[in-house]
Amino acid sequence: DVKVTQSSRYLVKRTGEKVFLECVQDMDHENMFWYRQDPGLGLRLIYFSYDVKMKEKGDIPEGYSVSREKKERFSLILESASTNQTSMYLCASSPPAGLEQYFGPGTRLTVT
Amino acid sequence: QKEVEQNSGPLSVPEGAIASLNCTYSDRVSQSFFWYRQYSGKSPELIMSIYSNGDKEDGRFTAQLNKASQYVSLLIRDSQPSDSATYLCAVSNSNSGYALNFGKGTSLLVTP
Repeated sequence: DVKVTQSSRYLVKRTGEKVFLECVQDMDHENMFWYRQDPGLGLRLIYFSYDVKMKEKGDIPEGYSVSREKKERFSLILESASTNQTSMYLCASSPPAGLEQYFGPGTRLTVT
Repeated sequence: QKEVEQNSGPLSVPEGAIASLNCTYSDRVSQSFFWYRQYSGKSPELIMSIYSNGDKEDGRFTAQLNKASQYVSLLIRDSQPSDSATYLCAVSNSNSGYALNFGKGTSLLVTP
């Protein structure tokens, strides 16, 4: 079974803090993705990576950065957290060429 | 912006009936199509993938794809109360690095 883990299920941070969300997958997948999910807006792609040290912007990259130093790990960084970044953050991984994506359990981030 | 459209519901069906969930997409070059189930507060769980026109069956689930009409559907036979969840349609293509473009989901309620 594919396993995607995320570092925290719930996180509360203050405005202006730097926030790190970690994602690890154990299936040697090339592709990894970060989404956020908000009521009424659905899932939106923040960043994705198809190889180590490679990254591509998604639909809403503003205010975020990512790091992929190892194949199994993909980190999402909020450089200076703001209240509008309060959301559910979902990490996913997949093998190449459009095959199925598998999601981690999600991190519910609250920025106060 | 490429669109994936779903009726938000709720779709209410009695236990044992067939639930029919529909999805349309606007990007003609879409190549891969997925259905995810999401329980409240949980992350999306992949239940079906389909890549070519026609039907694909897996247990009680059948996915149907019609690329000419840009339409994909999910049928759930013998619906159970445990099927009550939000069902997300997602599409991807190579032009976007196979990142998923999600619909906003259809809420399904199976009543005993």
